[in-house]
Amino acid sequence: DTAVSQTPKYLVTQMGNDKSIKCEQNLGHDTMYWYKQDSKKFLKIMFSYNNKELIINETVPNRFSPKSPDKAHLNLHINSLELGDSAVYFCASSQPDRAAGELFFGEGSRLTVL
Amino acid sequence: GQNIDQPTEMTATEGAIVQINCTYQTSGFNGLFWYQQHAGEAPTFLSYNVLDGLEEKGRFSSFLSRSKGYSYLLLKELQMKDSASYLCAVYTGFQKLVFGTGTRLLVSP
Repeated sequence: DTAVSQTPKYLVTQMGNDKSIKCEQNLGHDTMYWYKQDSKKFLKIMFSYNNKELIINETVPNRFSPKSPDKAHLNLHINSLELGDSAVYFCASSQPDRAAGELFFGEGSRLTVL
Repeated sequence: GQNIDQPTEMTATEGAIVQINCTYQTSGFNGLFWYQQHAGEAPTFLSYNVLDGLEEKGRFSSFLSRSKGYSYLLLKELQMKDSASYLCAVYTGFQKLVFGTGTRLLVSP
């Protein structure tokens, strides 16, 4: 049983399109995240949610809109895709407080914008 | 701002010992974490240090000096499967884990 699962694994799309990535965790964690890993493998936090509430929005363009319907799910919708959005997007979850540094990652969703 | 630096790439031989350094300057510190990421896969948690000193976990150990803003990951008895990227990360608090640039380790026979 996969702990953190995200779909789809691969997206290839044209500039200007809208796309969504879904994430679910069955670990019972309160906190979920979206991270972006660019071509240089730099992993950067985008958003974090604690119990459906937005905690961190790391100066991400408005075109990116996360949604957490419940604490086990965190989806990411991206409008008007740009070339620079091409990256691997990782969903992750953790327990709160000190244990929040121990993240459990999903397999990643590789987005390619043409 | 947040600054976490690691060497970009390192090479080592099977059976050897390698030390991957990490220096950090962050607004807030609540722990130093190390992750391993194989090519095409998700990062996985390896170890963490909150207090100064060495934490040992099998073939892997991690050291922290908070006054120097410095950590290292020590890998002993290197195996081919240890070829991966190693990511240093600082938990700054409020559910925020900031990653360094990562070190790609290549282990050769």
